[in-house]
Amino acid sequence: GAGVSQSPSNKVTEKGKDVELRCDPISGHTALYWYRQSLGQGLEFLIYFQGNSAPDKSGLPSDRFSAERTGGSVSTLTIQRTQQEDSAVYLCASSLELSRGYNSPLHFGNGTRLTVT
Amino acid sequence: AQSVTQLDSQVPVFEEAPVELRCNYSSSVSVYLFWYVQYPNQGLQLLLKYLSGSTLVKGINGFEAEFNKSQTSFHLRKPSVHISDTAEYFCAVTLNTGFQKLVFGTGTRLLVSP
Repeated sequence: GAGVSQSPSNKVTEKGKDVELRCDPISGHTALYWYRQSLGQGLEFLIYFQGNSAPDKSGLPSDRFSAERTGGSVSTLTIQRTQQEDSAVYLCASSLELSRGYNSPLHFGNGTRLTVT
Repeated sequence: AQSVTQLDSQVPVFEEAPVELRCNYSSSVSVYLFWYVQYPNQGLQLLLKYLSGSTLVKGINGFEAEFNKSQTSFHLRKPSVHISDTAEYFCAVTLNTGFQKLVFGTGTRLLVSP
């Protein structure tokens, strides 16, 4: 596709359930990022992938959060035993290879709005 | 650690008036600076960035920003706004780590009215 695609666009889940959020980056983009946008915390970095490896996962808030990337493309963010404070918009972004540095802008998806009831 | 402050949560302005959205940052080392815009029901989009060189940076849609190292500021300006500029604007910084681990401000909602 032309842009970063995220699914589902909306997810309502009960407290304690597991959820999976999916991100399809722009074709050819080797760098992939997850951010979270919430009312209380604003926009926060969660994790960064270069290819299939995650050199920086320091923003994951707890061990209930995990992410993987396969084939250097699709990424899945998994939240286990969801809590109400996990309610937020989860944003995925991708960019061209690292060697291009910051001249390669981040392209953001429209996000997945997660509501934990 | 780096931080970004956007003191104005909301800025109302009339169409064709000039606007300035303020951004101040805190960092003990050099940073790269960005402004992103989020239109209603859309993803974040890069407006402009400062990496090095000229401190006046021009971006898309007629926006520009000036990097002021002594005041640790990166204010966003537009000489004449349009209704279509109504959106949320985010200032962000990152270190030169080789990847874009952005630290965002809390955002400023620009409301342009006729």
